[in-house]
Amino acid sequence: KQEVTQIPAALSVPEGENLVLNCSFTDSAIYNLQWFRQDPGKGLTSLLLIQSSQREQTSGRLNASLDKSSGRSTLYIAASQPGDSATYLCAVRYGNNRLAFGKGNQVVVIP
Amino acid sequence: DVKVTQSSRYLVKRTGEKVFLECVQDMDHENMFWYRQDPGLGLRLIYFSYDVKMKEKGDIPEGYSVSREKKERFSLILESASTNQTSMYLCASSFHRGPNQPQHFGDGTRLSIL
Repeated sequence: KQEVTQIPAALSVPEGENLVLNCSFTDSAIYNLQWFRQDPGKGLTSLLLIQSSQREQTSGRLNASLDKSSGRSTLYIAASQPGDSATYLCAVRYGNNRLAFGKGNQVVVIP
Repeated sequence: DVKVTQSSRYLVKRTGEKVFLECVQDMDHENMFWYRQDPGLGLRLIYFSYDVKMKEKGDIPEGYSVSREKKERFSLILESASTNQTSMYLCASSFHRGPNQPQHFGDGTRLSIL
């Protein structure tokens, strides 16, 4: 069974620092990996999707890398801002329409 | 932009009631999903549907059923609500064109069963 882990569960960084969030998964037979953002009491907003054949994807200040063979992905957020405070979830697509989610990294950016 | 709309943000029901959660998407997506999200357990798939009147069980279907009579609408039904079904429920949708279509989520329904 595919298991996804995100460590640490929570972290705080000063404004302006770069954020590095890690995601690991147990089975490398994936179609893609997706990073989401979730604000308190809200749904998930898709940030980036990396296909299994890709090494990274970029969108603005966000960059996500994927090392499928080692079962790891990293989300980088450059020059963090207080508005980046949220929970970030990664999910891997495997099997028939199945997503396996990590439990998230809860991020606080301190002004 | 994709819009996935869940009919209620907050809902309070009593044990034993039959509860309907509604989800509508406006992007002509073939796939629709229902998840629940609980602290410490993360998101878990309840049911999904890849076409009208088609459904597949997810990881935790017990106590739930679904209905998809129209392409844009996917309903989750709690046949006889119990307190352990108190949770955040999230609906999502995606295209069925290969595996690399992202899922788009609604804002969630926080359901409390008393």
